[in-house]
Amino acid sequence: EVQLLESGGDLVQPGGSLRLSCAASGIIFTNYGMNWVRQAPGKGLEWVSGVGADGVTTYYADSVKGRFTISRDNSQNTLYLQMSSLIVDDTAVYYCAKGRGKVAKAAFDYWGQGTLVTVSS
Amino acid sequence: DIQMTQSPSTLSASVGDRVTITCRASQSINNWLAWYQQKPGRAPKLLIYKASNLESGVPSRFSGSGSGTEFTLTIGSLQPDDFATYYCQQYNTFSQSFGQGTTLEI
Repeated sequence: EVQLLESGGDLVQPGGSLRLSCAASGIIFTNYGMNWVRQAPGKGLEWVSGVGADGVTTYYADSVKGRFTISRDNSQNTLYLQMSSLIVDDTAVYYCAKGRGKVAKAAFDYWGQGTLVTVSS
Repeated sequence: DIQMTQSPSTLSASVGDRVTITCRASQSINNWLAWYQQKPGRAPKLLIYKASNLESGVPSRFSGSGSGTEFTLTIGSLQPDDFATYYCQQYNTFSQSFGQGTTLEI
């Protein structure tokens, strides 16, 4: 059974930093691109960032470019999102999502349950 | 960046109805389009990938069509479990994007 388990969400002040993790099981992690997608309260889905299976190719939405860094540890089957210079508009549930292939751009066939990031003073 | 526009934003229907949701891209995305269903408090669920391919385990009453810039999701005969919000997603470019969502309500 495929499982994606996010953690690391928290209440943080504007300008602060946070690192999200997503532990994957039930898949050959090195075979798939992975992504982060967020959803602000009561709003739609927003793609945030993606990384290829090799961990080398990374992509970001303009709204987070220069502030967020995606990475993966293939030896630990874990995806990360390092977030810095957080702003109120970053408040959202953050989902990790598995792509259907090795590249980052893909349909997402498995999603985690989400972790809530709240940016507020 | 490619903008994805869904219509309608809200759709009222009844059990047994056939409904169609449209998704338009601001430029051609070939057939690199997916459809998701999301229920409140839950993660999205993949229904359709590559515009018309049914994800494993998804009921056959769901179907997708289209290419280029215009796509549709059709639900053949609505079941009570289908009332949810639906999103399209383009993955033609590495800067992927979602439509704003269509809420299907009774």
